[in-house]
Amino acid sequence: QSALTQPRSVSASPGQSVTISCTGTSGDVGGYDYVSWYQQHSGGAPKLMIYRVTQRPSGVPDRFSGSKSGNTASLTISGLQAEDDGYYYCCSHGGNKDLLFGGGTKLTVL
Amino acid sequence: QVQLQQWGAGPLKPSETLSLTCAVSGASFSHYFWTWIRQAPGKGLEWMGEVTHRGSAIYNPSLKSRLWMSVDTSKNQFSLRLTSVTAADTAVYFCASMDYYYMEFWGTGTTVTVSS
Repeated sequence: QSALTQPRSVSASPGQSVTISCTGTSGDVGGYDYVSWYQQHSGGAPKLMIYRVTQRPSGVPDRFSGSKSGNTASLTISGLQAEDDGYYYCCSHGGNKDLLFGGGTKLTVL
Repeated sequence: QVQLQQWGAGPLKPSETLSLTCAVSGASFSHYFWTWIRQAPGKGLEWMGEVTHRGSAIYNPSLKSRLWMSVDTSKNQFSLRLTSVTAADTAVYFCASMDYYYMEFWGTGTTVTVSS
């Protein structure tokens, strides 16, 4: 069982928006602004999509956005495209200088 | 362009030691922390630990007794050693840069299989 809780799967049609949640505790997600999100295709290396809750690395489309409220962080993808299909993992600093991951969410673009 | 190239030994038997190395190019080795993350077949990501350019390391408590991370600043490389492996250590192992608890640059991953 992962430390951070994500839905196992979400789905939406091209052009629609989808939000993936990541729930932790006040000791991790709620306590630090160090939430990041990763996209993974077919077991390849994860790709950083969001860092520090809301920041987007260079090259990541602005269709991807992050937010946080209390102990829950969220990744929203608007204007879904077929290439967005894959797995998404949230990650948070967990205090005591460790890192925690969510169990991952399979996004299916219908 | 930052690149992380990783390599390590082939299949392992239970009780043997896993050794992996990651070479960094295109980045200041002293700017980042350097981390290892693994993914068991069909499972999610697991943070294993991180090491600074000075060799100071922090480990996942679940692995701490078996894990050792080190750096070779002369070669811009960092390494992992995991002792007493079991089938549960079968996974793809990724090296990555870490800055403020996020990983921007990743290696391509090394598949490690532990089997008798």
